[in-house]
Amino acid sequence: DAKTTQPPSMDCAEGRAANLPCNHSTISGNEYVYWYRQIHSQGPQYIIHGLKNNETNEMASLIITEDRKSSTLILPHATLRDTAVYYCIVIRDSGTYKYIFGTGTRLKVLA
Amino acid sequence: EPEVTQTPSHQVTQMGQEVILRCVPISNHLYFYWYRQILGQKVEFLVSFYNNEISEKSEIFDDQFSVERPDGSNFTLKIRSTKLEDSAMYFCASSDPQPQHFGDGTRLSIL
Repeated sequence: DAKTTQPPSMDCAEGRAANLPCNHSTISGNEYVYWYRQIHSQGPQYIIHGLKNNETNEMASLIITEDRKSSTLILPHATLRDTAVYYCIVIRDSGTYKYIFGTGTRLKVLA
Repeated sequence: EPEVTQTPSHQVTQMGQEVILRCVPISNHLYFYWYRQILGQKVEFLVSFYNNEISEKSEIFDDQFSVERPDGSNFTLKIRSTKLEDSAMYFCASSDPQPQHFGDGTRLSIL
């Protein structure tokens, strides 16, 4: 599975968009980009995933570059409850594939 | 929304004792996983389970660990003789096949 690189921490003002980048330059053609977050010591929470097209759901948007070597998770109107560690994971979308968690980005939403 | 449930939320055990951590995966999921997170460290994969057998296991998952799906609804992780370094949060996840959905974990404290 491709390795991912994320900034260790970011701050965002409440109500503003939070843009969290992820580099996955060694991604292969059949690998998807998944985003999770972990609030305190709770279990990782699934946010969104994509292959090559941009995706949007009720939680977030995912922008994947045309070469697929990087992506950005966008929380359009961050709230204090979005304060968490955000993980970008690259994985094939089938079978029992383990997730390899990095250290993620610690997002702090400021009042 | 269906969720993965784990019990107990906190388990305190003497070193050398056996411990069983329990998980109820989402009902129509076929793939099951255990991960652990030592305090302040990354989430680490332990084992994946599909079709009543282990699909993959990490180096952490040695002979002291075992998994079982005893009754078609529960998925358990057993540690035969606990060590101090087994103290961690243990997360169960399930999927069909992706994304994986995580429980809120069991905090295992070894004294």
